[in-house]
Amino acid sequence: DAGVTQSPTHLIKTRGQHVTLRCSPISGHKSVSWYQQVLGQGPQFIFQYYEKEERGRGNFPDRFSARQFPNYSSELNVNALLLGDSALYLCASSLEGIANEKLFFGSGTQLSVL
Amino acid sequence: AQRVTQPEKLLSVFKGAPVELKCNYSYSGSPELFWYVQYSRQRLQLLLRHISRESIKGFTADLNKGETSFHLKKPFAQEEDSAMYYCALRGTGTASKLTFGTGTRLQVTL
Repeated sequence: DAGVTQSPTHLIKTRGQHVTLRCSPISGHKSVSWYQQVLGQGPQFIFQYYEKEERGRGNFPDRFSARQFPNYSSELNVNALLLGDSALYLCASSLEGIANEKLFFGSGTQLSVL
Repeated sequence: AQRVTQPEKLLSVFKGAPVELKCNYSYSGSPELFWYVQYSRQRLQLLLRHISRESIKGFTADLNKGETSFHLKKPFAQEEDSAMYYCALRGTGTASKLTFGTGTRLQVTL
């Protein structure tokens, strides 16, 4: 079991650019969630997707968007990057994305915006 | 609104000493509470959750609704317990949305 995989592991962008982060859930998991972890803080919820539909959205601007594909992998897109978007972006997967399920986290993508 | 507070950024204890990592929460309904751990160079992983009432690696946590707390305890700290610990809350009907605290780094020294 490869676990949740995220790519790339590190990324450097400049202000105003666009970035796409990718996540592959554990085989059999249909729900993917995205979290942003700024240095010194706990992870903060961005999105949850299940069966290609958005199930939940955190308090993030419209510059953040995501989608889920038929194979349950997911992309997180961030437009018009700001310095404050520099963070570790975590992806988590679960079977059905319902309460009482265990979440499995990936190792994250470290995004640096210069 | 839901909030999780971990008042200590760093907790340093000697090997064999008792450990208590504090967690307080704010939520109007009946939350699910969790402790996640991140060891050096490893991914974030679930340590335990209150609904299971289990002990993992010697750690326990009891949900105290009166004090809105979910403190993590271990009677005798081990070197391998050194890690970053996050308390998290999941509200009713919020599926995968977890609200995390800022984390406490536990440092166990000889």
